[in-house]
Amino acid sequence: KAGVTQTPRYLIKTRGQQVTLSCSPISGHRSVSWYQQTPGQGLQFLFEYFSETQRNKGNFPGRFSGRQFSNSRSEMNVSTLELGDSALYLCASSLFFQQGANTGELFFGEGSRLTVL
Amino acid sequence: GENVEQHPSTLSVQEGDSAVIKCTYSDSASNYFPWYKQELGKRPQLIIDIRSNVGEKKDQRIAVTLNKTAKHFSLHITETQPEDSAVYFCAARGGADGLTFGKGTHLIIQP
Repeated sequence: KAGVTQTPRYLIKTRGQQVTLSCSPISGHRSVSWYQQTPGQGLQFLFEYFSETQRNKGNFPGRFSGRQFSNSRSEMNVSTLELGDSALYLCASSLFFQQGANTGELFFGEGSRLTVL
Repeated sequence: GENVEQHPSTLSVQEGDSAVIKCTYSDSASNYFPWYKQELGKRPQLIIDIRSNVGEKKDQRIAVTLNKTAKHFSLHITETQPEDSAVYFCAARGGADGLTFGKGTHLIIQP
């Protein structure tokens, strides 16, 4: 079974530009969540989608947005890029909707490494 | 929202010794506590998790303990091996909020 696939793996943008990252979950998984990973802050939750609906959102500005399609694939977009947005963006999928103790294993992709110049 | 503190940020132990990583959380409603291991250049992978109705869970050389009253949980690795070298992240989740991760512990196994 194929794992979580993220594209592109690496990208370089300049300040003010926007970027779209894509995530294809494991077949059959319906929940997709996104995390930003930086050396100093670890893994920070961005948002979570289930059945094409955003279920949770982390403490990030409105420049960060996302969506999920009917085939469970997800995209996230960052507009008006800032230097501080340079990070590894990780997507994770799981079989069912994550809620409290009803939480299962997250399967992470290899990430999209964004560099903002 | 939830806040997870993780200590230490770096831990160096001799091969064969035990390693302990500790985390505290702030939200008393949190009831799911996973630990993820991330090797250099690789994706995080779940190594063990515990729910709030359990105080301890073991899986071979790895164990996790949970103290709900004190709101802290710990990862214990016994008989450490070179392949245990990685960054370990604890996390907590309650209700419908997203998973909140600690900032990670870089575990170094000295030969």
